[in-house]
Amino acid sequence: QVQLVESGGGVVQPGRSLRLSCAASGFIFSNYAMHWVRQAPGKGLEWVAVISYDGRYKNYADSVKGRLTISRDESKNTLYLEMDSLRSEDTAVYYCARDPRGSGWFSVFEYWGQGTPVTVSS
Amino acid sequence: DIQMTQSPSTLSAFVGDRVTITCRASQSISTWLAWYQQKPGKAPKLLMQKASSLESGVPSRFSGSGSGTEFTLTISRLHPDDFATYYCQQYNSFPYTFGQGTKLDIK
Repeated sequence: QVQLVESGGGVVQPGRSLRLSCAASGFIFSNYAMHWVRQAPGKGLEWVAVISYDGRYKNYADSVKGRLTISRDESKNTLYLEMDSLRSEDTAVYYCARDPRGSGWFSVFEYWGQGTPVTVSS
Repeated sequence: DIQMTQSPSTLSAFVGDRVTITCRASQSISTWLAWYQQKPGKAPKLLMQKASSLESGVPSRFSGSGSGTEFTLTISRLHPDDFATYYCQQYNSFPYTFGQGTKLDIK
């Protein structure tokens, strides 16, 4: 069955960096677009970024553009989110989610990981 | 960005009740709308896409309708397991956006 397992979250100071990982199993990773979605404490859901099945297409929410970078490693069946210049407003649980298709366009979030919490605080 | 507005924000109901949640988009999104259910401390679960297409394994008491800018999620007879927070999401255009959520709790 599809499994997505996030890791790498933690407490980090403002302005510092963090890398999140999402290990995928139970499906052919290279066939599907992947997303990051986050949820601030007590708040709703916010889409963060998408990467197409082949890594050629990426898109980001304006709130993270230029600071967060999505990538994937097919050899490791792993999705990444490189987070730089972190701000307090980046504090959230970060979920990776699988797209039903490969392009990343017209996407819903079909399968979700359990999430990894990130706290940005001095 | 397309703004998604859900109503009500909270809803109290009894087991067995029929409930409806409304989601409005700030511009037309055709039927590019999904619904999710989230329980405390858990990841969201996709219930429905294309406004009315139920995901495999989702009980038939859930139904969706609408197109353009107004959509509804209806639960015909509430089960104890249905008490959760529900989110709509538009995927007509980037950035994909969610409604603020509707918390459904037991009366």
